[in-house]
Amino acid sequence: KAGVTQTPRYLIKTRGQQVTLSCSPISGHRSVSWYQQTPGQGLQFLFEYFSETQRNKGNFPGRFSGRQFSNSRSEMNVSTLELGDSALYLCASSLTSGFTYEQYFGPGTRLTVT
Amino acid sequence: LAKTTQPISMDSYEGQEVNITCSHNNIATNDYITWYQQFPSQGPRFIIQGYKTKVTNEVASLFIPADRKSSTLSLPRVSLSDTAVYYCLVGERPFGNEKLTFGTGTRLTIIP
Repeated sequence: KAGVTQTPRYLIKTRGQQVTLSCSPISGHRSVSWYQQTPGQGLQFLFEYFSETQRNKGNFPGRFSGRQFSNSRSEMNVSTLELGDSALYLCASSLTSGFTYEQYFGPGTRLTVT
Repeated sequence: LAKTTQPISMDSYEGQEVNITCSHNNIATNDYITWYQQFPSQGPRFIIQGYKTKVTNEVASLFIPADRKSSTLSLPRVSLSDTAVYYCLVGERPFGNEKLTFGTGTRLTIIP
C-alpha cells in the first residue's frame, strides 16, 4: 500500500511569511505526528494528532500549529517564519496513538527560510 | 520519556556483526524499547521493538538484560547499505503525555 506522502517536498520562503505543509498518512492510520529535524538539534517532536485531536505537543512556540482532518490527513502551519525554522519537516503516521505502535515516516519537506 | 545514551558514531567492516548499545538507566516498568534507522534526507524507519529478553526479526535482534537498564541492537553481517543513523527510544504504551524524542543517535559507517 502507498506510504506516507508529504507535499511539497521543497519550499523556499522569506522571513515573516507563513507556510503550510501537508501530510497524507497511510490508509487506515489514524495518528499523525510531526517532527522537525535540523543538524544542530536533531529530530524533535512537534505534535501528534489522533482522530482530529491534538494528543501531544512538543516544546515549540505557538507559531507552530497543526490540524487533522476527518480523513486523517494533516497539515502543519508555521507563521512569521524565522531563519531558524529552516529544517526538514517530517510527518509520521501510525495505526493509533501510542509509543509501541510503529511509526511510518514520510520523505519530509525541506523548508528553507531566507 | 526515559533518557537514552548511545555512542555518537561507530565504524565496522562489511560482513561483520555490529552491536550498538543504548543505556536507559531510568527506564520505567511500562516502557518499551524501540530502534529506528535513518538514511540521509529520509525519514526514520522502524527496525525493532522489545520489552525484555530477546526479540528477533528479519533485519535485526534486540537484546535486553533482566534489569532493562540497557539494550543492544545487533545487525548481522552488515553491508554498505546499513550505513545510517540508528536511534534508540524508550517510552510507554500508550503515549499519554509522553513526547517522542529521538536523541542524537549513533552514526554507523560501514567500511568496504
